Amino acid sequence: KQEVTQIPAALSVPEGENLVLNCSFTDSAIYNLQWFRQDPGKGLTSLLLIQSSQREQTSGRLNASLDKSSGRSTLYIAASQPGDSATYLCAVSPYGGATNKLIFGTGTLLAVQP
Amino acid sequence: EPEVTQTPSHQVTQMGQEVILRCVPISNHLYFYWYRQILGQKVEFLVSFYNNEISEKSEIFDDQFSVERPDGSNFTLKIRSTKLEDSAMYFCASSEGPGGPRYYGYTFGSGTRLTVV
Repeated sequence: KQEVTQIPAALSVPEGENLVLNCSFTDSAIYNLQWFRQDPGKGLTSLLLIQSSQREQTSGRLNASLDKSSGRSTLYIAASQPGDSATYLCAVSPYGGATNKLIFGTGTLLAVQP
Repeated sequence: EPEVTQTPSHQVTQMGQEVILRCVPISNHLYFYWYRQILGQKVEFLVSFYNNEISEKSEIFDDQFSVERPDGSNFTLKIRSTKLEDSAMYFCASSEGPGGPRYYGYTFGSGTRLTVV
């Protein structure tokens, strides 16, 4: 059974710092991995989608890597800003099943201090 | 940018009452999903819907739950007799095809917060 874990559970950094969020999954048989942002009481905003054949994806100050064989992904945020404060979720789409459901991690709560 | 729209944003209902949560997926998407997030817990898969029928459902999605796509644009989740433990944020999501989320990932709505009292 696929399990997704995110470390750390919470992180507080000063503005301007570069930071890395970690995601690990137990079964490497996945189609893709997606990183989301969730603001308090709000929906999920897709940040980056990495296909299983890809190693990384970049969007602006965000860079996500995927090492499928070791079951790990990282989300790198450069030059963090207070507006980056949110919960970051990773989710994998495992092989099997009829319609590629997502299995989510518990999230990392990020606070960027001005 | 196209959005998945959910209504209402917040619903309070009495235990035992029926509720219908509504979603308008992105118009050219073919795969539709409901997920839920109990406060402080992981986002969990409930059900997927493709080609006008349920494709997959989780153990959570028991006989109290049903989904419909009544008119080609709306996608609804009905809970027949709500329980206290149904209190959660419910998210609708959609993905385009062919291949759906395998290639395109998901777009989520902003959620409906359901409170059962």
